[in-house]
Amino acid sequence: GAGVSQTPSNKVTEKGKYVELRCDPISGHTALYWYRQSLGQGPEFLIYFQGTGAADDSGLPNDRFFAVRPEGSVSTLKIQRTERGDSAVYLCASSQTGRDTQYFGPGTRLTVL
Amino acid sequence: SQQGEEDPQALSIQEGENATMNCSYKTSINNLQWYRQNSGRGLVHLILIRSNEREKHSGRLRVTLDTSKKSSSLLITASRAADTASYFCATDAGNTDKLIFGTGTRLQVFP
Repeated sequence: GAGVSQTPSNKVTEKGKYVELRCDPISGHTALYWYRQSLGQGPEFLIYFQGTGAADDSGLPNDRFFAVRPEGSVSTLKIQRTERGDSAVYLCASSQTGRDTQYFGPGTRLTVL
Repeated sequence: SQQGEEDPQALSIQEGENATMNCSYKTSINNLQWYRQNSGRGLVHLILIRSNEREKHSGRLRVTLDTSKKSSSLLITASRAADTASYFCATDAGNTDKLIFGTGTRLQVFP
């Protein structure tokens, strides 16, 4: 079956702009996660959804970052007033129930000029 | 914050040799996972080992877990050039669903 997909694969934007990153999890997976990975580092947790609700958003760096999952499937990560420090690869993962193997998408490389 | 530390940070070997990577973590866990990443993009899940397991095998991969030392190792036997990648360990840090990743080991396998 299809894996986790993310769009766009690359996004270049200017400082101060708004961006949306989309994640399509594996069908039937109730848990969805967003991570951010800077160059040379391991991924860092941002937010976790169980169904439609954000079960843990402790990793969001500030209130410019927001994520939704309105129907319990596709999720959108939204970043307002982007800053150059937001440049990173944004990774999405899903798992069947949570506390299980997480399957990752290919990531979106965000570059803020 | 990073939970785990991989050791070594970088490893270069010849095809056919074995590669061993180590991971240490800080808090109690339910399970530990190893992932591979090529060219800084999507992570590929390799193996999950639960806290009550000591060793697990998958093909050319062997993972050990020592919860008393809070450490794990990943052994790749008979390495191939295609194994060249970054390898990360990730833990659930106990009663959480999120994964906390280490800093990774960059493996280079020369043909």
